[in-house]
Amino acid sequence: QVQLVESGGGVVQPGGSLRLSCAASGFTFSSYGMHWVRQAPGKGLEWVAFIRYDGSNKYYADSVKGRFTISRDNSKNTLYLQMNSLRAEDTAVYYCAKEAAYCGGDCFGVWGQGTLVTVSS
Amino acid sequence: SYELTQPPSVSVSPGQTARITCSGDALPKQYAYWYQQKPGQAPVLVIYKDSERPSGIPERFSGSSSGTTVTLTISGVQAEDEADYYCQSADSSGTPNWVFGGGTKLTVL
Repeated sequence: QVQLVESGGGVVQPGGSLRLSCAASGFTFSSYGMHWVRQAPGKGLEWVAFIRYDGSNKYYADSVKGRFTISRDNSKNTLYLQMNSLRAEDTAVYYCAKEAAYCGGDCFGVWGQGTLVTVSS
Repeated sequence: SYELTQPPSVSVSPGQTARITCSGDALPKQYAYWYQQKPGQAPVLVIYKDSERPSGIPERFSGSSSGTTVTLTISGVQAEDEADYYCQSADSSGTPNWVFGGGTKLTVL
């Protein structure tokens, strides 16, 4: 079955860096665009970044533009999120999500279980 | 910027019908999607393209659209439906951007 497993979360100081990974299985990873979505504690969902199936296009939320970089390795079926210059407001559970073909790429068909990033001194 | 507005909370008794609304200026032009999120779990897509139901989602979940408002309807609400519900749409007017509503907490009384 389709599965997404995030890893790499943890506690980091403000200004620090962290790289998240999302291991995909159960589908042809190289055929689908992928997203990162985050959720601050007790808050709603916020889209963070998207990468096309072949890595040719990447889009970011204004709140992370210039600090976060989304990438993928289709040979390893893995999605990444490099997070630099982290701020307290980046504290959240980070989910990777697979686009759904039946939405024309506009929705999130499958989600991972999430990984918690805490930015604190 | 593109915004979607949901009521913070909706309450309903078991067996009754719950309706959760989502408003946004671009909704007449863009599809809406609905997600259910239970505590400590990842979101699950329950409605796509305003009114379509993914496989495995119970028939009691339905969606509709009228002008700038879309509505998630849960008929015959069950205790297990208590969760947060988020609407979502995609803004393709410029640089692609995926937007969520603020979420609605559904309480089953």
